[in-house]
Amino acid sequence: DGGITQSPKYLFRKEGQNVTLSCEQNLNHDAMYWYRQDPGQGLRLIYYSQIVNDFQKGDIAEGYSVSREKKESFPLTVTSAQKNPTAFYLCASSIGRGNSPLHFGNGTRLTVT
Amino acid sequence: AQRVTQPEKLLSVFKGAPVELKCNYSYSGSPELFWYVQYSRQRLQLLLRHISRESIKGFTADLNKGETSFHLKKPFAQEEDSAMYYCALPQGGSEKLVFGKGTKLTVNP
Repeated sequence: DGGITQSPKYLFRKEGQNVTLSCEQNLNHDAMYWYRQDPGQGLRLIYYSQIVNDFQKGDIAEGYSVSREKKESFPLTVTSAQKNPTAFYLCASSIGRGNSPLHFGNGTRLTVT
Repeated sequence: AQRVTQPEKLLSVFKGAPVELKCNYSYSGSPELFWYVQYSRQRLQLLLRHISRESIKGFTADLNKGETSFHLKKPFAQEEDSAMYYCALPQGGSEKLVFGKGTKLTVNP
């Protein structure tokens, strides 16, 4: 079950701490994405990257940061500025052209108390 | 801006009954639409896409430009179809997807 791996599966943090979620893919995909999934809200795009060393804000980027130093990796940092960080976070990747489908990871559930 | 609406949060049918999950979109142009599915304890995965015009697991979806809809249909629902279903549309001509809020389908025995 390779493809796209998110770790850890569950993450707990105290309020005020930054936390980084890992996302790695071995599909040789150019594009990578971070979505947040909340009950009744669907999936909302946080950040995306179409190529190494480049990324753009999605619809709800405030309080989050990303990097794309390697093609395989797209870590997401949830900063203390994010007002409601407790959520399920999904990473995805795609070929990056031609409306290719997204491949999703298993997600990370972050709980901030 | 592109928008996807799934009007039903929950949908419950009996096994063997027809099922239709509704999806309406707002987009000026020829959209490429997708249905994604998330079974319990599994990752979100592509179910089908408009451009392929295929049937996956007995599901089909037809693009109706006049009604701006892309409803997902299956003539005879099975218990294993119980899952969360999301309709999605590329945003701004890019590969970013805008997702609807999802419909939770429960197929009762």
